[in-house]
Amino acid sequence: DIQMTQSPSSLSASVGDRVTITCRASQSIGSHLHWYQQKPGKAPKLLIYAASSLQSGVPSRFSGSGSGTDFTLTISSLQPEDFATYYCQQSFGALTWTFGQGTMLEI
Amino acid sequence: EVQLVESGGGLVQPGGSLRLSCAASGFTFSSYWMSWVRQAPGKGLEWVANIKRDGSEKYYVDSVKGRFTISRDNAKNSLYLQMSSLRAEDTAVYYCARITTLNIFYMDVWGKGTTVTVSS
Repeated sequence: DIQMTQSPSSLSASVGDRVTITCRASQSIGSHLHWYQQKPGKAPKLLIYAASSLQSGVPSRFSGSGSGTDFTLTISSLQPEDFATYYCQQSFGALTWTFGQGTMLEI
Repeated sequence: EVQLVESGGGLVQPGGSLRLSCAASGFTFSSYWMSWVRQAPGKGLEWVANIKRDGSEKYYVDSVKGRFTISRDNAKNSLYLQMSSLRAEDTAVYYCARITTLNIFYMDVWGKGTTVTVSS
């Protein structure tokens, strides 16, 4: 199985900061990597698909990059509504998928 | 409006069974793969199962193989998860999600979830 490792597990930041979250796959997954945002008590929301494509309706301050085994999610200027938990997820191979353990972004 | 609404969660004893449902609306259900994802209390997301548009292919995480069955009824725009031999570690919020396939598969629409508690 493909393992996904996110870092850091938690992160403290301030409004206006630039933030980067990293996700590493245990083997090459091409661009089959997606990022989700989840707020407490809510369903996950797709932010970035295929490593770098911005989902419709998602603010442009979110961006993704990477391919192969190393990926990043960047928020260029944190807004109050961005404080949440972020997950990466791989969809490579035989349709058995895995998520990273999550990164909690706190004030 | 594209929408997914889960139902069927509840309290069940260890070893028991439960069937979750997910009602889809606002899109052509039969054109999409679908997925179940769960989240144990205070934990991260765990992918559970996927099903192809016509139900001909199904994939599961190892921990539920042989106990859970994903299925769908395209005539009723509904997705299901039949869960049996339930264990305490199956306690979670269960989400259904739509899978979009543009060369790469990803989950672009999610329901609000239904809670399953396995306890005596």
